[in-house]
Amino acid sequence: GAVVSQHPSRVICKSGTSVKIECRSLDFQATTMFWYRQFPKKSLMLMATSNEGSKATYEQGVEKDKFLINHASLTLSTLTVTSAHPEDSSFYICSATTGEQYFGPGTRLTVT
Amino acid sequence: GDSVTQMEGPVTLSEEAFLTINCTYTATGYPSLFWYVQYPGEGLQLLLKATKADDKGSNKGFEATYRKETTSFHLEKGSVQVSDSAVYFCALSGGSGTYKYIFGTGTRLKVLA
Repeated sequence: GAVVSQHPSRVICKSGTSVKIECRSLDFQATTMFWYRQFPKKSLMLMATSNEGSKATYEQGVEKDKFLINHASLTLSTLTVTSAHPEDSSFYICSATTGEQYFGPGTRLTVT
Repeated sequence: GDSVTQMEGPVTLSEEAFLTINCTYTATGYPSLFWYVQYPGEGLQLLLKATKADDKGSNKGFEATYRKETTSFHLEKGSVQVSDSAVYFCALSGGSGTYKYIFGTGTRLKVLA
């Protein structure tokens, strides 16, 4: 089946630094990938839709200058959390679509 | 807009008990409906899906039927195991002509031996 990977699985960074999270579709090409954020014991919140070769589409309330998304190829999308703060600590999940969405295992970000 | 409502958890059951997790939705058009499962520290895995009214999705002993008349997609399993302990998310897609997925808030299931 379709497999989506994320790297890193866990990251701890200091406040004010930037962190990059990678999302890869391993055995299929995805023109569209999605980035979600999951708060503790809450559902997934769609942050943005990442389209290969074009700018990402952000959901209302998501700061595009803080959460930079780059979809450089049909198998890779990256999310960069810039100038991270403790309130950015969360579980970030990506998905890639072939019509049906396949989810990555998630990245736990902790900002100290 | 489209929305998904799930029963609040946590749900605690003994092994071999019957499971029902309620899910209702609001959507325009004809959405596809999904159940995802999330084990601790992991991402979401598709458990089952149904793409049109009266379809029944099934997998690993879990079942859900797409009921258009009641706008529901309740998850059931006849005999739960400890290994079923996880968080279950109901979701829809395509309701308003969009590919975006709308998730419910999730229901935590704990199965005791």
